[in-house]
Amino acid sequence: DTEVTQTPKHLVMGMTNKKSLKCEQHMGHRAMYWYKQKAKKPPELMFVYSYEKLSINESVPSRFSPECPNSSLLNLHLHALQPEDSALYLCASSQVYTGGGTNEKLFFGSGTQLSVL
Amino acid sequence: GEDVEQSLFLSVREGDSSVINCTYTDSSSTYLYWYKQEPGAGLQLLTYIFSNMDMKQDQRLTVLLNKKDKHLSLRIADTQTGDSAIYFCAESETGGRRALTFGSGTRLQVQP
Repeated sequence: DTEVTQTPKHLVMGMTNKKSLKCEQHMGHRAMYWYKQKAKKPPELMFVYSYEKLSINESVPSRFSPECPNSSLLNLHLHALQPEDSALYLCASSQVYTGGGTNEKLFFGSGTQLSVL
Repeated sequence: GEDVEQSLFLSVREGDSSVINCTYTDSSSTYLYWYKQEPGAGLQLLTYIFSNMDMKQDQRLTVLLNKKDKHLSLRIADTQTGDSAIYFCAESETGGRRALTFGSGTRLQVQP
């Protein structure tokens, strides 16, 4: 199984809603990532979890709250989002995270397309 | 800081070779990667090269690295319509504390 599964595939939410994005992998990877991708742009890193601990937070607003309940699962809790937060949210995993210098092959999910109204 | 640049668009005819180029600024880059993204999908790792290599071939894909000029290219031989996608190069840094840095992506359009 070399898949990273993300749910839901599409999400429409209002600015006062609370919703969660989910990501799951069963490859035994100990590093998991959230990326945000706007149309026609490269993915931008949001968070990195390494061994279920938050290693990197790229100055993401607190309306995005990540959670890593175990080594296979990664959630992104959303609250009071703005229309400019509409984007494709990608989850990825790798065997480990060392901050570079090793072959950190990322496996990506197909993303959640989020629209904030 | 690190910077990775790519041309935005490339159009080729089916059966021709495609060459997608990438330049990067970080001289401490250790691994360089090529990812493919089809519409509405996540990114798929195609191939990668370690910085002490200058070429890597994998079936229809050939990666060339000119470390002196900080230039990376991906050649796709016998390009097919299924190769139409956005191609991102990415690099990781030796001993750094950041995840991959992606280029802006090159949209490859393959004409039948």
